[in-house]
Amino acid sequence: DAGVTQSPTHLIKTRGQQVTLRCSPKSGHDTVSWYQQALGQGPQFIFQYYEEEERQRGNFPDRFSGHQFPNYSSELNVNALLLGDSALYLCASRGVFHDEQYFGPGTRLTVT
Amino acid sequence: GNSVTQMEGPVTLSEEAFLTINCTYTATGYPSLFWYVQYPGEGLQLLLKATKADDKGSNKGFEATYRKETTSFHLEKGSVQVSDSAVYFCALEGFDYKLSFGAGTTVTVRA
Repeated sequence: DAGVTQSPTHLIKTRGQQVTLRCSPKSGHDTVSWYQQALGQGPQFIFQYYEEEERQRGNFPDRFSGHQFPNYSSELNVNALLLGDSALYLCASRGVFHDEQYFGPGTRLTVT
Repeated sequence: GNSVTQMEGPVTLSEEAFLTINCTYTATGYPSLFWYVQYPGEGLQLLLKATKADDKGSNKGFEATYRKETTSFHLEKGSVQVSDSAVYFCALEGFDYKLSFGAGTTVTVRA
């Protein structure tokens, strides 16, 4: 049983560009959340998707958007990249009958 | 809103020493509490959890008890190994499945 997978592993972008990160949840999970972890800090909640809709959103600007597909996989899009967007982006999945979230290995985004 | 405060590091210990990392929380309702561990260059791994007051979570020699009266969930291990060197995060999950994390505590165990 595959766990949560994310792609790509690493990404380097230039300021002002746009980026798309992808996440496949653990089998049987239908809720996907995204977190941003800046260097030396704890993860910060970006948003959560369930039934293809954004259900919760953290304190992130509209440049951060997402999508969930019918197979429960998800994308995180960031427009107009800033240097401060450099971070590890983590995806977590959860099932309604489970009481814990499983994290993927993350995508390391570097903005130059 | 929900928040977590955990002991700042870094913490450096010798092998077989006792480890405690303090964690307190502020939350509405009855959150679930977690400890996650992050090894260098990796994502987060769930270490242990407790879903209601007085529950004790345990795994790999680590323990933490959900104390509602003191709003705490301190992590302990009686005898650490070099392989326990990592960053440890305390987190809570509210009814909305949103995780709130502490800032993390870096633990280094020397042989």
